[in-house]
Amino acid sequence: AQTVTQSQPEMSVQEAETVTLSCTYDTSESDYYLFWYKQPPSRQMILVIRQEAYKQQNATENRFSVNFQKAAKSFSLKISDSQLGDAAMYFCAYRRSNQFYFGTGTSLTVIP
Amino acid sequence: DTAVSQTPKYLVTQMGNDKSIKCEQNLGHDTMYWYKQDSKKFLKIMFSYNNKELIINETVPNRFSPKSPDKAHLNLHINSLELGDSAVYFCASSQEDGPRMEQYFGPGTRLTVT
Repeated sequence: AQTVTQSQPEMSVQEAETVTLSCTYDTSESDYYLFWYKQPPSRQMILVIRQEAYKQQNATENRFSVNFQKAAKSFSLKISDSQLGDAAMYFCAYRRSNQFYFGTGTSLTVIP
Repeated sequence: DTAVSQTPKYLVTQMGNDKSIKCEQNLGHDTMYWYKQDSKKFLKIMFSYNNKELIINETVPNRFSPKSPDKAHLNLHINSLELGDSAVYFCASSQEDGPRMEQYFGPGTRLTVT
C-alpha cells in the first residue's frame, strides 16, 4: 500500500529565511506524481508544486522548489525568502492512477 | 469562474438529521472525490467516482452515500448524523490524463453536528 509520511508536524521559520519541509513515501511503482498543497486558515487547498516521477529535474515555482530523490522516495519542499503569507498547513501528496494519498501535514509558522 | 464548488460552506444540524452537500466541477474532469478533514487536519478519502462508477470506498459508514447524477456532480448524503461526523468535507476532482495531474479542491463544507 502506498503511504506518505510527513515527519514534522510543526515547523517555524523567520521571515525572509529558508525552510525545508520533509516528505517520504512508500511505493513499488515507477510511474507516479507528487504534489505539495498549501492550506491556509481560509481552509482552501492550493496546489504549490507538482513533480512527475519520470522527470529527473526538480520542479520549481518561484520561491518554491523541491528536492526529489526517487531512489530514496523523498520529496522535500524548500521555501525561500519566506513570507508571512506562507504560514499554512502543507500537505505532501502522491498520485498513482486515480488514487491520491496525503501525508498528515506540516504546520508552518512564519515569524516576523 | 469557480472550478470546484460546494454548497453549503457551513452546515449546522442536530444529531439524527439527514443532510446533503452538493459538489460541482466545471473542469471536464473524469474523477471526483470526497474527503473528510478532522480537527487534527488529517485528510481521509471517503469516495471517488470515475465516469459515474464508484472506484474507492474507504470503510466509510453506510450512513454516507455519494450520488453522481452526471459527470460534473458528486453529492454527499449523510443519514442519521452523529457527533463524530463533525468535520470539514472537501470535494475534489482530477483528470485521468493530461499535463495537469493534480486534484482541484472545492472550498470545503464545515459540518457541525450538535
